[in-house]
Amino acid sequence: DQQVKQNSPSLSVQEGRISILNCDYTNSMFDYFLWYKKYPAEGPTFLISISSIKDKNEDGRFTVFLNKSAKHLSLHIVPSQPGDSAVYFCAASAIGDYKLSFGAGTTVTVRA
Amino acid sequence: ETGVTQTPRHLVMGMTNKKSLKCEQHLGHNAMYWYKQSAKKPLELMFVYNFKEQTENNSVPSRFSPECPNSSHLFLHLHTLQPEDSALYLCASTGRASNYGYTFGSGTRLTVV
Repeated sequence: DQQVKQNSPSLSVQEGRISILNCDYTNSMFDYFLWYKKYPAEGPTFLISISSIKDKNEDGRFTVFLNKSAKHLSLHIVPSQPGDSAVYFCAASAIGDYKLSFGAGTTVTVRA
Repeated sequence: ETGVTQTPRHLVMGMTNKKSLKCEQHLGHNAMYWYKQSAKKPLELMFVYNFKEQTENNSVPSRFSPECPNSSHLFLHLHTLQPEDSALYLCASTGRASNYGYTFGSGTRLTVV
């Protein structure tokens, strides 16, 4: 039973434009959400997170939006750069739980 | 370097072989995890250790055997694997004070032939 879903396996965007990655979840107990970035031959690295008490968190070019009623979050990257080409995983955890549930990932390709 | 080190980075093994994957962290984290990443699939949680005690076995076949001798080291012992076990095996750790979820190692790319 997949509790975190990333329905777009891939995204291609031109350099300088906005990348929007989407993530949906089903578990209403999730209260903390994270995005990880993964390059080939490397493990995922933390990118940005958001707590359920917020609806937006911004860090430089990266902004995460959370819509709790829709159980949906999105990651915006603007402007997109070639170095942003990677696989992006959405993850979520419930209160008091050390475990993260991951989506299947979205492969972003930034075209020059 | 993330602070979580996995060895080997690549491993090719036959179905009758026995091998072990190693994970080491010196971040002071108390929880360690094994995840399996297959192509186009979510990361699958395999095992969780908290303060050296196994707290979760996510219905993993017995041909995978974890070992956690201390809070800094985690092993995954492999024997009589199947070709469908070929995947990237990721180790991760986390601590109570961490707001960043997991710190991952670079993974071991396992190929079973």
